[in-house]
Amino acid sequence: AQSVAQPEDQVNVAEGNPLTVKCTYSVSGNPYLFWYVQYPNRGLQFLLKYITGDNLVKGSYGFEAEFNKSQTSFHLKKPSALVSDSALYFCAVRDPYSGGYQKVTFGTGTKLQVIP
Amino acid sequence: GAGVSQSPSNKVTEKGKDVELRCDPISGHTALYWYRQSLGQGLEFLIYFQGNSAPDKSGLPSDRFSAERTGGSVSTLTIQRTQQEDSAVYLCASSFGLAGADLYEQYFGPGTRLTVT
Repeated sequence: AQSVAQPEDQVNVAEGNPLTVKCTYSVSGNPYLFWYVQYPNRGLQFLLKYITGDNLVKGSYGFEAEFNKSQTSFHLKKPSALVSDSALYFCAVRDPYSGGYQKVTFGTGTKLQVIP
Repeated sequence: GAGVSQSPSNKVTEKGKDVELRCDPISGHTALYWYRQSLGQGLEFLIYFQGNSAPDKSGLPSDRFSAERTGGSVSTLTIQRTQQEDSAVYLCASSFGLAGADLYEQYFGPGTRLTVT
């Protein structure tokens, strides 16, 4: 079975500082990993994904994430946080070797608060 | 191009009534998902449609919940005899890929906020 964990309900960071939103996963094989963002009163938007290849993935709005197989992690990062980055962030995982229907499992979300 | 649309955007209903929520996916997307997001909670998977295959209903919380997808496009989520605990935002998403759909990101609609009084 596949699962994903976001250990922090909320992350606070000062504007201009680097930010990290943590995500760990559990799958039986090599995972497909996704990050989505939900701005206040808006739907979820795709940020980036890791399928294969380079462990460092770059996505929208200056975000990037690093796939670390040994630590089973896919942390979301940004070198310099903006107040407009304040939102709810979801990590999602799919184990392509698990068979069955092709649905992803979402984490519980981490609220990012960027303080001016 | 047009994104995923959902209607209504807000629905207030009395306990015990039935409701229907509609989702129009992006044209050409073969995969369609329904999720539920309760206040302060993450995404709860409800049901997944892929092409003409039988849907994955494993996330439906009770037999009061059902969903259809007509012609491989529009989907309707129906909740019968609504309860207060059904109050949540119901999100629909679609994605590419008849085979290997999990490679592709999901495009989400704005959601329907359901309030059961």
